[in-house]
Amino acid sequence: QKEVEQDPGPLSVPEGAIVSLNCTYSNSAFQYFMWYRQYSRKGPELLMYTYSSGNKEDGRFTAQVDKSSKYISLFIRDSQPSDSATYLCAMRGSYKLIFGSGTRLLVRP
Amino acid sequence: GAVVSQHPSWVICKSGTSVKIECRSLDFQATTMFWYRQFPKQSLMLMATSNEGSKATYEQGVEKDKFLINHASLTLSTLTVTSAHPEDSSFYICSARASGPQETQYFGPGTRLLVL
Repeated sequence: QKEVEQDPGPLSVPEGAIVSLNCTYSNSAFQYFMWYRQYSRKGPELLMYTYSSGNKEDGRFTAQVDKSSKYISLFIRDSQPSDSATYLCAMRGSYKLIFGSGTRLLVRP
Repeated sequence: GAVVSQHPSWVICKSGTSVKIECRSLDFQATTMFWYRQFPKQSLMLMATSNEGSKATYEQGVEKDKFLINHASLTLSTLTVTSAHPEDSSFYICSARASGPQETQYFGPGTRLLVL
């Protein structure tokens, strides 16, 4: 079993839709949770960073962490074609980041 | 957000040559830098972790004599692929993190290496 599980997609939605991206994990020591966006042939770009459980909102993006269920989510409201990319969840305890496999998102105009 | 640069952005070389990739944190001091490798449509694979002024820690299966890492300052780390072969062709991405347990990692734009 992988430490972090993420559905690879692809996930195709129409413009304006609400997108829900999710990851589950098995290591209860993880304390820091991140979502990165990666466009093709580019490095990952940090979108959201959350410490421990709770919600965090930044513009159209909302990150949720439920440590009791070992489940994290990223919601994208009013999705745009420019949101089309691969979204990677990442988490760590005290040392190195563990990444999910990434979910490919396509927002259709 | 913090900015991490990489140079070159892409490189083509002949088999048997060595290639050096630079990673710089432009607006913060990075006590720890990471080097990743990414194959098409796959997630990032951590190769090694380096702390400024000390030897890099390599992940299992990564040849330290092939992938030389130097973290000479708080803003610069280099990865040298020695005697490159076609199977070393990949997308190499560095990441930098400032000090403190809550500091997160910022990634460079990546370097695409093609070994002929």
